[in-house]
Amino acid sequence: EDKVVQSPLSLVVHEGDTVTLNCSYEVTNFRSLLWYKQEKKAPTFLFMLTSSGIEKKSGRLSSILDKKELFSILNITATQTGDSAIYLCAVGSGGSNYKLTFGKGTLLTVNP
Amino acid sequence: EPEVTQTPSHQVTQMGQEVILRCVPISNHLYFYWYRQILGQKVEFLVSFYNNEISEKSEIFDDQFSVERPDGSNFTLKIRSTKLEDSAMYFCASSEAGTGDHYEQYFGPGTRLTVT
Repeated sequence: EDKVVQSPLSLVVHEGDTVTLNCSYEVTNFRSLLWYKQEKKAPTFLFMLTSSGIEKKSGRLSSILDKKELFSILNITATQTGDSAIYLCAVGSGGSNYKLTFGKGTLLTVNP
Repeated sequence: EPEVTQTPSHQVTQMGQEVILRCVPISNHLYFYWYRQILGQKVEFLVSFYNNEISEKSEIFDDQFSVERPDGSNFTLKIRSTKLEDSAMYFCASSEAGTGDHYEQYFGPGTRLTVT
């Protein structure tokens, strides 16, 4: 059974702090790892990673994948209250039967 | 910016009734998906759909579920004879992907289904 484990499950920080969210996985026929931000309803796409060691960056957010150790991290620098959300890690696996397996998410709370 | 849309945003139904959840995927996307999220739990894959047929389905997607693309824009999830445990947020997603190339999936805002 495919597994995606995120840690920590929740995190409370102050504005300006830097946070690192973790995602480890065990899946058959790995294809990609995706990070989403879920605020109220729909998960909003952040990054998709397919290759080890290549950092993807968007503003204050960055992410990297290690396919040997089977994990990814999502970094957020200079956090803002608007970063408060659940961050979901999902792993895409399969070929024509491609699907995403999600972790439970990390609830990030950024206090002013 | 193109987005996935879903209707209704909230559906309340009685146990045993049939419901149809509707989705309009992003127009140039080829792959369509349904996921569900029971309150407090993780997002779970239900089914993927490509070229007018199911590509993959999970154990959750049993005979009470069906999907259809009735026209060029809509993608529906039908749940026959709903049960209390079907209460969840149902997300539709779509992606450009062709086989062998996997693009990011974009999610709709969800339909909250409440079965009473």
